[in-house]
Amino acid sequence: RKEVEQDPGPFNVPEGATVAFNCTYSNSASQSFFWYRQDCRKEPKLLMSVYSSGNEDGRFTAQLNRASQYISLLIRDSKLSDSATYLCVVNQAGTALIFGKGTTLSVSS
Amino acid sequence: NAGVTQTPKFQVLKTGQSMTLQCAQDMNHEYMSWYRQDPGMGLRLIHYSVGAGITDQGEVPNGYNVSRSTTEDFPLRLLSAAPSQTSVYFCASSYGGGAGYTFGSGTRLTVV
Repeated sequence: RKEVEQDPGPFNVPEGATVAFNCTYSNSASQSFFWYRQDCRKEPKLLMSVYSSGNEDGRFTAQLNRASQYISLLIRDSKLSDSATYLCVVNQAGTALIFGKGTTLSVSS
Repeated sequence: NAGVTQTPKFQVLKTGQSMTLQCAQDMNHEYMSWYRQDPGMGLRLIHYSVGAGITDQGEVPNGYNVSRSTTEDFPLRLLSAAPSQTSVYFCASSYGGGAGYTFGSGTRLTVV
């Protein structure tokens, strides 16, 4: 079983839609959690960290449930520029990031 | 402040050749790591380092060597390139302690 699992999609949504991505992780020792965004043939870029209390950055809301080992990302009012691959990422203390395979989002007009 | 710099951006190797992918960061980050990205596989961890002189293996270390003699540099060595090592390689660095990582722009390697 892979450490971080995501629905690969693709998610095809119209502009203005709300879309949610889910992710599960297997190692309960994981301590830090992130969503990264990756555009085609580019490097991953940090979108936001994820906290148990939930956190919001504009149209993006992330949530962590440690008991269920589940992470989510909600995008409201989707824009064309949101089209990308969204990577769920976990980190254990003293190691490096472990990535899910990513969920592809395509927003159309 | 250049961030994370990877060189070269593109490389074609013949099977059996050796080469070193360079990674340098100017943010005084302790944590550095190497990933490879293949279609349908996501990013997989090759090697990582939590400080100068300290390295460890990730998920797919075979065929790769690393060393960390300075905080700034974390080179990745391919000793005898194989076609299976054709991939996009990313280097990343972080302060650690739960902070996110900054990635370089990648090296696209083809082994023929």
